[in-house]
Amino acid sequence: TQLLEQSPQFLSIQEGENLTVYCNSSSVFSSLQWYRQEPGEGPVLLVTVVTGGEVKKLKRLTFQFGDARKDSSLHITAAQPGDTGLYLCAGRPLGRLYFGRGTQLTVWP
Amino acid sequence: NAGVTQTPKFQVLKTGQSMTLQCAQDMNHNSMYWYRQDPGMGLRLIYYSASEGTTDKGEVPNGYNVSRLNKREFSLRLESAAPSQTSVYFCASSEWGQGATGELFFGEGSRLTVL
Repeated sequence: TQLLEQSPQFLSIQEGENLTVYCNSSSVFSSLQWYRQEPGEGPVLLVTVVTGGEVKKLKRLTFQFGDARKDSSLHITAAQPGDTGLYLCAGRPLGRLYFGRGTQLTVWP
Repeated sequence: NAGVTQTPKFQVLKTGQSMTLQCAQDMNHNSMYWYRQDPGMGLRLIYYSASEGTTDKGEVPNGYNVSRLNKREFSLRLESAAPSQTSVYFCASSEWGQGATGELFFGEGSRLTVL
């Protein structure tokens, strides 16, 4: 059983489109992180959210933490080819950090 | 600024052979981790070390051993490699342990194939 469910698993879109990826769980998290991983590299942290209902913006990326702290979403506006990568959410339900399986995003020019 | 350095980057083993993956960080972090990443499975924690001198099992520890040699270095050993251990292995470090909200810094990964 996967503690963090990410959807969709794969997403292939054209440059300029908007998209949302989701990270859901039945557990409550003290904090949740989003990482991006490019081919041949390790994941790199994008954001950490800690408060229910929190919204954080990072240029064209908007991260939201659910009110009940069980889910999160990542919205990208006007996607660019440079956004291509594997997006991983990670949460701490009971101290230890768990990762979701990731959403593989491909943005075509 | 090197961050987290892993060696080797690529390795091919035969079933039953042993090997050690090395990891070093230069950020003076207290905690270090070993993950494996398989297609469609995300990152799964093998072992972690919350601080120098301590190690604990993660989600998938079977077939692996670790050593926290000092504050900088954390090695992962496969005593008798099996094809199921074919994977990409990532070492990571953080200033504080798993319970904190801190960032994990990852190495570039070590791709291991067991024939």
